[in-house]
Amino acid sequence: DAGVIQSPRHEVTEMGQEVTLRCKPISGHDYLFWYRQTMMRGLELLIYFNNNVPIDDSGMPEDRFSAKMPNASFSTLKIQPSEPRDSAVYFCASRWGGHNEKLFFGSGTQLSVL
Amino acid sequence: DAKTTQPPSMDCAEGRAANLPCNHSTISGNEYVYWYRQIHSQGPQYIIHGLKNNETNEMASLIITEDRKSSTLILPHATLRDTAVYYCIVRVGDGGSQGNLIFGKGTKLSVKP
Repeated sequence: DAGVIQSPRHEVTEMGQEVTLRCKPISGHDYLFWYRQTMMRGLELLIYFNNNVPIDDSGMPEDRFSAKMPNASFSTLKIQPSEPRDSAVYFCASRWGGHNEKLFFGSGTQLSVL
Repeated sequence: DAKTTQPPSMDCAEGRAANLPCNHSTISGNEYVYWYRQIHSQGPQYIIHGLKNNETNEMASLIITEDRKSSTLILPHATLRDTAVYYCIVRVGDGGSQGNLIFGKGTKLSVKP
């Protein structure tokens, strides 16, 4: 398996534009997580899905952020409209739901909002 | 979740053992200790986890004190590639919603030649 795949690797956009980040989890994993990492706040859990259903989105900063998982092999995180303070590295991670299963992370998307 | 306390940074000489401490004095009986690391510009990577017994795998050893209030991650022969931020996380081990991992600030380990 190729691991968790995220795209794009880098994204530069202007304030006010819509940004869509993509994630393909490891095949067979039934949990998918979106994290955001900044120098100030470290790694923050934004939202997670179980069997394609959003379970906890309490970490989503505001209504400008939305996440979907239309099927077991694809998820998106959308920011509309984007703001400079959204600049961060966004990680997607997945794992199987068994006991003590490891969390596998993608390589992240470096987002810069100018 | 039990809170963890780690030193913000540590240095280690290449080839020597790196011992990374973690305090988790409020850990509950059903909570596990997990260690992940994050090498620069990469996503975090699982290292090891344990409940109360010491654990060893191909990457590291985990020593948990008898009262479970603290633990130490040991990299037996550190290399330059082990330079990373190491996160100690305490969480229940079930596979459901309670099994999510919340990352703190971690310890930045610098392995020097």
